[in-house]
Amino acid sequence: GAVVSQHPSRVICKSGTSVKIECRSLDFQATTMFWYRQFPKQSLMLMATSNEGSKATYEQGVEKDKFLINHASLTLSTLTVTSAHPEDSSFYICSASPLPGQTAYEQYFGPGTRLTVT
Amino acid sequence: SQQGEEDPQALSIQEGENATMNCSYKTSINNLQWYRQNSGRGLVHLILIRSNEREKHSGRLRVTLDTSKKSSSLLITASRAADTASYFCATDASGGSNYKLTFGKGTLLTVNP
Repeated sequence: GAVVSQHPSRVICKSGTSVKIECRSLDFQATTMFWYRQFPKQSLMLMATSNEGSKATYEQGVEKDKFLINHASLTLSTLTVTSAHPEDSSFYICSASPLPGQTAYEQYFGPGTRLTVT
Repeated sequence: SQQGEEDPQALSIQEGENATMNCSYKTSINNLQWYRQNSGRGLVHLILIRSNEREKHSGRLRVTLDTSKKSSSLLITASRAADTASYFCATDASGGSNYKLTFGKGTLLTVNP
């Protein structure tokens, strides 16, 4: 149980275009979803936290207008990288928790999406 | 401040040997978790230890937690080539937004057949 999928697994896009990444919880309802970014051989950095039906909470230094997050249902969150630049190239990982707010340390991770901006 | 720093950064051992990785953190925590990440893949949850626990076992894994030293160790016994991966510790801080996991930089473990 507790499976999280991401789509696509890899995407290449041209500079200036937008790309959407989907994160789905397959066998549980995800009250809270998280988006992380990971550079090569680096750790995961939390970008934002989203709760179903409400606006995402972004971490300091993350541009909310560039990284649009929508948590439209209890099983789906999307991250849209707008006007992508080569420096946005990275590995994006989502996680989902069946628990709300303060207890959402129980997180299940997706397999990640490799974004390359040319 | 950096929370959850693992050492060593890289560890190479032979199959059958034990592997020990350490994690240090700076602030008080509620829980500490260990994850494994195969190259280019997502994270797999290995084990969670709560702040009031000192040791936990799961199969070939043994995790210890010393809150007085703000450190944890992950021991993998009788390692296998399939254990080759990066291992991260993650903490959620007590008080405030404890749902935020802070990850360390990870230890890259290579198990040679």
